Amino acid sequence: GDSVTQMEGPVTLSEEAFLTINCTYTATGYPSLFWYVQYPGEGLQLLLKATKADDKGSNKGFEATYRKETTSFHLEKGSVQVSDSAVYFCALSRLGNEKLTFGTGTRLTIIP
Amino acid sequence: NAGVTQTPKFQVLKTGQSMTLQCAQDMNHNSMYWYRQDPGMGLRLIYYSASEGTTDKGEVPNGYNVSRLNKREFSLRLESAAPSQTSVYFCASSEELREVEQYFGPGTRLTVT
Repeated sequence: GDSVTQMEGPVTLSEEAFLTINCTYTATGYPSLFWYVQYPGEGLQLLLKATKADDKGSNKGFEATYRKETTSFHLEKGSVQVSDSAVYFCALSRLGNEKLTFGTGTRLTIIP
Repeated sequence: NAGVTQTPKFQVLKTGQSMTLQCAQDMNHNSMYWYRQDPGMGLRLIYYSASEGTTDKGEVPNGYNVSRLNKREFSLRLESAAPSQTSVYFCASSEELREVEQYFGPGTRLTVT
């Protein structure tokens, strides 16, 4: 079945550091890939998405590129801020599968 | 435009008690979902409703029932709560069942003792 594997957290970085959160997936066909973010005390929000190979999703300084050859969708940001502290979830969906499949989430803490 | 709202925010139940979690969306979405979030396990789908009048089981439906009351509202009922149902519950909605983007509510934190 479909699955998403994320790097385990928690991840702690200093402000302005470079961020990478790894995500790899297993799915048949051509899934769409997502990063969702959950800020403390809130529900999940869509951060970015990519719907086909080599697409790059970007939002709020975050980027992720859909790499079909390595089945990966790593999240990156060049300079993190304290306000980026949150839990980040990688997820996929595909035609014929009526649900999002989530990774286990990575908790990110940015210290000033 | 409130998006997806959930009540209550917090709840403590004793084993065997029943309760209903309420969810409403004001985006005129056709599809709605209930997830549970447990540490180290991400989000797992409990039930979903493709459109008003239909409901289907997700990955972990045992111990739960749902009602799609109308297009706006989708409730989740625990008939006889068990400690294993201690979790954070999220409701979500999307325009259509296969729409890639889902919108989530703020969650209900449920503890069963």
